[in-house]
Order: sequence, then structure tokens, then C-alpha cells
Amino acid sequence: QSVLTQPPSVSGAPGQRVTISCTGSSSNIGAGYDVHWYQHLPGTAPKLLIYGNNNRPSGVPDRFSGSKSGTSASLAITGLQAEDEAEYYCQSYDSSVNVLYVFGTGTKVTVL
Amino acid sequence: QVTLKESGPVLVRPTETLTLTCTVSGFSLNDGKMDVSWIRQPPGKALEWLAHIFSNDEESYRTSLKTRLTISKDISKSQVVLTLTNMDPADTATYYCVRTAYYDSGTYYNYYFDYWGQGTLVTVSS
Repeated sequence: QSVLTQPPSVSGAPGQRVTISCTGSSSNIGAGYDVHWYQHLPGTAPKLLIYGNNNRPSGVPDRFSGSKSGTSASLAITGLQAEDEAEYYCQSYDSSVNVLYVFGTGTKVTVL
Repeated sequence: QVTLKESGPVLVRPTETLTLTCTVSGFSLNDGKMDVSWIRQPPGKALEWLAHIFSNDEESYRTSLKTRLTISKDISKSQVVLTLTNMDPADTATYYCVRTAYYDSGTYYNYYFDYWGQGTLVTVSS
């Protein structure tokens, strides 16, 4: 079961900005645990996109940015490109449920 | 270059035991800041964390599967092995081996998955 809720889908035209929300609770994001984001292209391995709420690993374009506030986090993609069409997952730690690391429900980004 | 590669059966019969091997390169399994986890994704569903083996050999498991899961490592072979007993069709999924990194935020140690294997699809069917 996923304890982090994401919208099933978001879409935007090339060049536009889209955001993906990740809503948790007081036992995970709200408790102060950081949020990390992954990009999953079909048929490939998921890729770390953002760690520690807003840090990009080397090689990740600065079009991707993250933020966290309260019990939620967001991933923003600016200057949307066709290659950004993928599934995106947030991840954090949860102190209450019997799963150390929890993922979001996933959001499909479609480039129109 | 960090790589992780999963290997194991593609088809498992119900009640059988699944054994998956992850062979890593580009980092050491006794590196104090790098651990390995297994994560799976059932078809059409979200990612699920299964197990984590720390550099100090401590193990953590998804509680709902704890009685069925075992994670271990062989440093000399650079391998991490996951076993899942009593397989069920609900265990059909792509299984990923993942390097697990962490940092101290000042409040907590935060763990995240920085390198992923390509994944291996395991189907449970008679």
C-alpha cells in the first residue's frame, strides 16, 4: 500500500511548467523526513531525480526542482520536453507503518 | 561506474522459493555509506520496498513479508541475494536491486536509492 499520494497524471505542452504533488502525513513527510523523487521511463530502470527535497544528482537538468512544506512535497518540471514523458514517484520514510521506505502512488507526465 | 545487475528465474511456480542475485560493481558492499535494497513493482502498480541490508550486515524487511523474506550478501563476490519463500501469483513483479545511500539531515538519517538495476520480471504461475 502507498502512503504517499500523488495525482495519477499531469500533462503540459512543450516548454510549459508542470508540478507533481506528493501528500503524506505526520508519520512521514510531516515528521521531518526528507522526500526523494524518481523518474521511470518504460522499460528502463528508475532514475534518481531529486534527493533531500531539492538536491539534484550530477547530470540531472536544472529544469527539475523539488520542494517540501508541511506534510507535502512537490516536483516541478520547467521547460517541459518530450523526453520528460515518464512516470514519477516520490519516496520518503515512515515511522508508523511497517514499511521503512514508502513510495508515492506515481504520476504519469504526458507531454502534449 | 556503479552498476547493479539482477539475475534469477523468470518463472516460478506457486509455493516455490524465489532466489534473486544482485551483482554489483563500482562500489564495495562493505562501504560504510552504501547499502543495498530490493524493491519490486507489480504490473501496473507502484514501487514497493522489500528489504535492506546495511553495510554493517543489519537487515530490515517489509513487515508484511518478513516471515518470507531473507536478504544476505557475499562481499567477496560483490553479491546480494534475496529469497522469497512460498511464492504466490500476487508476487508477480519486476524486482529491482538498488544501491541505498544515506545522509544525516541533522534530524534523521535519510535513505534514498541512487542507483538501480535494470530489474528482472518474475512471473508466478503454475
